[in-house]
Amino acid sequence: EVQLVQSGAEVKKPGESLKISCQGSGYSFSNFWIDWVRQMPGKGLEWMGTIYPDDSDTRYSPSFQGQVTISADRSVSTAFLQWGSLKASDTAIYYCARRSASYTGGYYYYSMDVWGRGTTVTVS
Amino acid sequence: SYELTQPSSVSVSPGQTASITCSGDKLGDKYVCWYQQKPGQSPVLVMYQDSKRPSGIPERFSGSNSGNTATLTISGTQAMDEADYYCQAWDSGTALFGGGTKLIVL
Repeated sequence: EVQLVQSGAEVKKPGESLKISCQGSGYSFSNFWIDWVRQMPGKGLEWMGTIYPDDSDTRYSPSFQGQVTISADRSVSTAFLQWGSLKASDTAIYYCARRSASYTGGYYYYSMDVWGRGTTVTVS
Repeated sequence: SYELTQPSSVSVSPGQTASITCSGDKLGDKYVCWYQQKPGQSPVLVMYQDSKRPSGIPERFSGSNSGNTATLTISGTQAMDEADYYCQAWDSGTALFGGGTKLIVL
């Protein structure tokens, strides 16, 4: 079974650092992009960025560039999302998702086909 | 920056057809995915590449995308379909989500 297992809920104070994780299993972790998505309380989904574990190629949404760091350790099939100094506005659920590709008519089409259960981060 | 616009809510009676729209400039030139999220749960992919259903998604879910609008259609809507639905597209290598639509089945 393909699954992404995320680390547990965190309660932090403003200014503290944090690193949360997302471990994949049941598939070749290195060869699928992992996306990170934020959901603030009562709000919608926001794409933060992505990483390709095989070579750690990383892309960020302009909204999150410089605010977080995405990394991966393919030896343990795990992707990470980290903050150097948390703010109250970082309070949210953070999801990781596997990006799957389908190849049709000479093009790749991507979708986030497997999601983790989310990590709730509370900064207060 | 590119934006995707969804209605905040859509209401439908059980057994009827629900249509949830997602609008963006020349959205038909991109391909769209749809995700369903029930309260307290992670999002689930229900449509990809505009109109393809992942394994396990009921046939009553269908999708289309043309011009400036993508549409997720649920035929014979059931109470279990009540959820938030998000459209998503790719633009310049980044993923964009619509604001989400709450589907109310009443």
